[in-house]
Amino acid sequence: EIVLTQSPGTLSLSPGERATLSCRASQSVSSSYLAWYQQKPGQAPRLLIYGASSRATGIPDRFSGSGSGTDFTLTISRLEPEDFAVYYCQQYGSSPVTFGQGTKLEIK
Amino acid sequence: EVQLVESGGVVVQPGGSLRLSCAASGFTFDDYTMHWVRQAPGKGLEWVSLISWDGGSTYYADSVKGRFTISRDNSKNSLYLQMNSLRTEDTALYYCARNPPTGYWYFDLWGRGTLVTVSS
Repeated sequence: EIVLTQSPGTLSLSPGERATLSCRASQSVSSSYLAWYQQKPGQAPRLLIYGASSRATGIPDRFSGSGSGTDFTLTISRLEPEDFAVYYCQQYGSSPVTFGQGTKLEIK
Repeated sequence: EVQLVESGGVVVQPGGSLRLSCAASGFTFDDYTMHWVRQAPGKGLEWVSLISWDGGSTYYADSVKGRFTISRDNSKNSLYLQMNSLRTEDTALYYCARNPPTGYWYFDLWGRGTLVTVSS
């Protein structure tokens, strides 16, 4: 199975700053079948990005995804207070689908 | 409101059984493939099982194959997970999640989860 490694484990930034989250796969993710999710405490995960770079419905354009092969990035251009959460990547190009362990984005 | 609400999580002894439910509302339930995904305490997310829109196809993670059974009742807009021969490592928050119409196995709607604790 494909192992996804997210880095950093915790990212401390201030509102207004730019956030760059990394997701690295142990094998190439076919056709860039990679998604990103946001999860806040006590809430359901929310789909942000699919197909490595396509924003889900209703997701602000400050969220963007990029990458291919084994290296993928989620970028939040200017952090809003509501963006501080845990972010997970997920590959769905091969079975079983797998998730990264998460990056916690915290307020500095 | 479009939502998924899980229920049925409790404390159960190793070797026991449990059935989880997920109630869907705000969308046409039988248009969608559905999944169960779990998250052990302090751990990442793990896909558990899938069922097609009509219940005709089901898939399971190796870790639960032969012990868990996924099912659905489209007349009740409900998804289920029957869990047998439970192990301590099945302790987790269990989410139901919706597969988008693209058919690819990612998740465009999640519930808040129901907690299953397997402990003696």
